[in-house]
Amino acid sequence: ETGVTQTPRHLVMGMTNKKSLKCEQHLGHNAMYWYKQSAKKPLELMFVYSLEERVENNSVPSRFSPECPNSSHLFLHLHTLQPEDSALYLCASSLDRASTGELFFGEGSRLTVL
Amino acid sequence: AQSVSQHNHHVILSEAASLELGCNYSYGGTVNLFWYVQYPGQHLQLLLKYFSGDPLVKGIKGFEAEFIKSKFSFNLRKPSVQWSDTAEYFCAVRVDSNYQLIWGAGTKLIIKP
Repeated sequence: ETGVTQTPRHLVMGMTNKKSLKCEQHLGHNAMYWYKQSAKKPLELMFVYSLEERVENNSVPSRFSPECPNSSHLFLHLHTLQPEDSALYLCASSLDRASTGELFFGEGSRLTVL
Repeated sequence: AQSVSQHNHHVILSEAASLELGCNYSYGGTVNLFWYVQYPGQHLQLLLKYFSGDPLVKGIKGFEAEFIKSKFSFNLRKPSVQWSDTAEYFCAVRVDSNYQLIWGAGTKLIIKP
């Protein structure tokens, strides 16, 4: 049990679909992150939220839209994705933004775009 | 731009062999260093970390890593691996006061029973 739960674990969608990934953390942390993990590539940081405010957006295409309604929940809304967006999407949390090296990850949502 | 290099994408060892996974980074200033591990089907988790002090850091499950500043390296070691160490290992670096982690591409370790 990691304390960070992601749903769904697997998602297959067409390029015209709209779907969302959900992340919930039970650790009382104040910072939450979305990462993209592709085979043989470094983890790519997508978004950072600190105290529900987006503090980083690493040039992510607008077809990815994050939402952080409270400090325990984080969503990634997906629309009109491309096949190259197929990857494992990881949610993580840390005590605060200064603790970015000590991340607690969820098990990820495996996304396949057809 | 800063980067982290992990020398091998795949390493295959027999049980009881000694392990050393390489990690080099390109940055001349102050760094915090981390190793994460991802066991098959499980979440990424922190294995060990270095912030300051003794450059030899001990982590969970018998792993250790040594920070050699002159070589910009933070290699991961274990004297005798077990089948259960089969996993993917990621090195990550945080530079100065920047909050962002820079990740290596990972090394997949397979231990033959």
